[in-house]
Amino acid sequence: GAGVSQSPSNKVTEKGKDVELRCDPISGHTALYWYRQSLGQGLEFLIYFQGNSAPDKSGLPSDRFSAERTGGSVSTLTIQRTQQEDSAVYLCASSLWDRGRPLHFGNGTRLTVT
Amino acid sequence: GEDVEQSLFLSVREGDSSVINCTYTDSSSTYLYWYKQEPGAGLQLLTYIFSNMDMKQDQRLTVLLNKKDKHLSLRIADTQTGDSAIYFCAEKDGSSNTGKLIFGQGTTLQVKP
Repeated sequence: GAGVSQSPSNKVTEKGKDVELRCDPISGHTALYWYRQSLGQGLEFLIYFQGNSAPDKSGLPSDRFSAERTGGSVSTLTIQRTQQEDSAVYLCASSLWDRGRPLHFGNGTRLTVT
Repeated sequence: GEDVEQSLFLSVREGDSSVINCTYTDSSSTYLYWYKQEPGAGLQLLTYIFSNMDMKQDQRLTVLLNKKDKHLSLRIADTQTGDSAIYFCAEKDGSSNTGKLIFGQGTTLQVKP
């Protein structure tokens, strides 16, 4: 079946602008995660959604970052007033809700802030 | 906090076996994973192992888990040029109910023909 879909695949924006990144998880997956992958920084957890529970926002680096998940499916990660240090690949993953279930990742959105 | 460590680079000849090593700190980790990332792509799940297992084999892949030493390894038999990629080890965050993963920095595998 279809995997995790992210859009856009690439985004170039000017410093100070807002951006929205979209994630369509695998159908039936109730858990959704956002990670950030920066050069030399590895994979950094940002935020987690599970069903109707309050999201775990513990990884968001600043209040410029926010995310929502509508209808338990599609998620949008918003970065306001982008800075050059926000340049990275933003990866979305989804899984079935079971602590042993692996995460399935999308191909990511490469964000470049000029 | 939890930490996952990997060596950054491994180079092997085509046809040889590759062994990628990983250490982790969270003794409550119950699931450990290996992911593969090719250039410009997301992370592809290769295999995973539960902590009550010592070994798991899946075609050319063998995962070994030493819980006492908190050491995980991935062996790729008969390594091919198509195996060239970055390999990430990850553990479930045992302190969290979210099921989020903590990743190592990734090991770049270079396969020479």
